[in-house]
Amino acid sequence: AQSVTQPDIHITVSEGASLELRCNYSYGATPYLFWYVQSPGQGLQLLLKYFSGDTLVQGIKGFEAEFKRSQSSFNLRKPSVHWSDAAEYFCAVGADNAGNMLTFGGGTRLMVKP
Amino acid sequence: GAGVSQSPSNKVTEKGKDVELRCDPISGHTALYWYRQSLGQGLEFLIYFQGNSAPDKSGLPSDRFSAERTGGSVSTLTIQRTQQEDSAVYLCASSSLPGNEQYFGPGTRLTVT
Repeated sequence: AQSVTQPDIHITVSEGASLELRCNYSYGATPYLFWYVQSPGQGLQLLLKYFSGDTLVQGIKGFEAEFKRSQSSFNLRKPSVHWSDAAEYFCAVGADNAGNMLTFGGGTRLMVKP
Repeated sequence: GAGVSQSPSNKVTEKGKDVELRCDPISGHTALYWYRQSLGQGLEFLIYFQGNSAPDKSGLPSDRFSAERTGGSVSTLTIQRTQQEDSAVYLCASSSLPGNEQYFGPGTRLTVT
């Protein structure tokens, strides 16, 4: 069975600083990987996805993520954080069955200092 | 177009009562998923529907939980004899095809008192 680990429960960065959120997965084959963001009281919004091909994927709101098979990682990055990026971020992997239901990491809560 | 909608947005119920939560997926999406988000367990898969196929119920935590999807569109998640540990946010998602990205609704916050 697949699993996802987000090692950082909380991260605080200053506005304008760069950001990297870590995600490690355990999976037997080529995974489908996703990053979602959740603002307080809101549902999950898809930031970006990796299915195959180019290992550097671009998403919305200036985010990008890089798939590294050798490290079983799919870290999320942003060059310059805005105060509106404060939220909880979830990494997820799609199951290797017909349904492709998602297994989520525990989430990383991002706080942005002015 | 409209996204995934869920109702009610909040539900408070007494222990032992039954509740129904509704999900209206994006029009044309054939795959529908229910997840639960709780403080102790994080985000966990509950059940999956694809077209007219039998649902994948492998994530349901007990036989008090059931779901149906009528006409390949709207879905209802039913929790019978609710317990305090059922308190959570119940999220619905839909996908144009299994394996494609899933789009989530705003969730229903269930509180069992």
